Amino acid sequence: KAGVTQTPRYLIKTRGQQVTLSCSPISGHRSVSWYQQTPGQGLQFLFEYFSETQRNKGNFPGRFSGRQFSNSRSEMNVSTLELGDSALYLCASSPGPTGGGGYTFGSGTRLTVV
Amino acid sequence: DQQVKQNSPSLSVQEGRISILNCDYTNSMFDYFLWYKKYPAEGPTFLISISSIKDKNEDGRFTVFLNKSAKHLSLHIVPSQPGDSAVYFCAGRDQTGANNLFFGTGTRLTVIP
Repeated sequence: KAGVTQTPRYLIKTRGQQVTLSCSPISGHRSVSWYQQTPGQGLQFLFEYFSETQRNKGNFPGRFSGRQFSNSRSEMNVSTLELGDSALYLCASSPGPTGGGGYTFGSGTRLTVV
Repeated sequence: DQQVKQNSPSLSVQEGRISILNCDYTNSMFDYFLWYKKYPAEGPTFLISISSIKDKNEDGRFTVFLNKSAKHLSLHIVPSQPGDSAVYFCAGRDQTGANNLFFGTGTRLTVIP
């Protein structure tokens, strides 16, 4: 079965613009989580959606938002981009609340803000 | 506030020897710990996990040890192979059951042939 698909793979934006990233989870998975990876900070949790509802949100400013559609696909949006938003954005899908290794990551979207 | 810490940013090991990657955490509410491996330009790949009620979990060449009293876990790779060269992330999941993982900053393992 297809893995987690993130589009686009690479993106260059200028400061002040906004951006939308997309994540298609594994078929049948209903939970999508988003993470930001920057050098020195590791992966930091942004938010998690399950059945179109945001269940958890990490410690990020309100410029970061997301949503999930009825087909479980998710988008995240960053408004008023800042240079510090340059990072690899990863999404992970899982069937639902689970333990162990039920999280599968996509390859990420590399966002560069200039 | 970094709830999961990997204090060694890099580690080099000879092929065939043991690699030991360490991880410390502060959150007592973690119920699962996971190790992920990441190659450049790819997303993290799940490697092995351990429940907080266990102290050891083994899967082939990979073994994870958990010391709850010390809030410490480690990943042992024996024997190490060049293909193991990657960045390894340790993560903890809190007990609320929510699907958010707290990751460490990663350790870059280089296995020298």
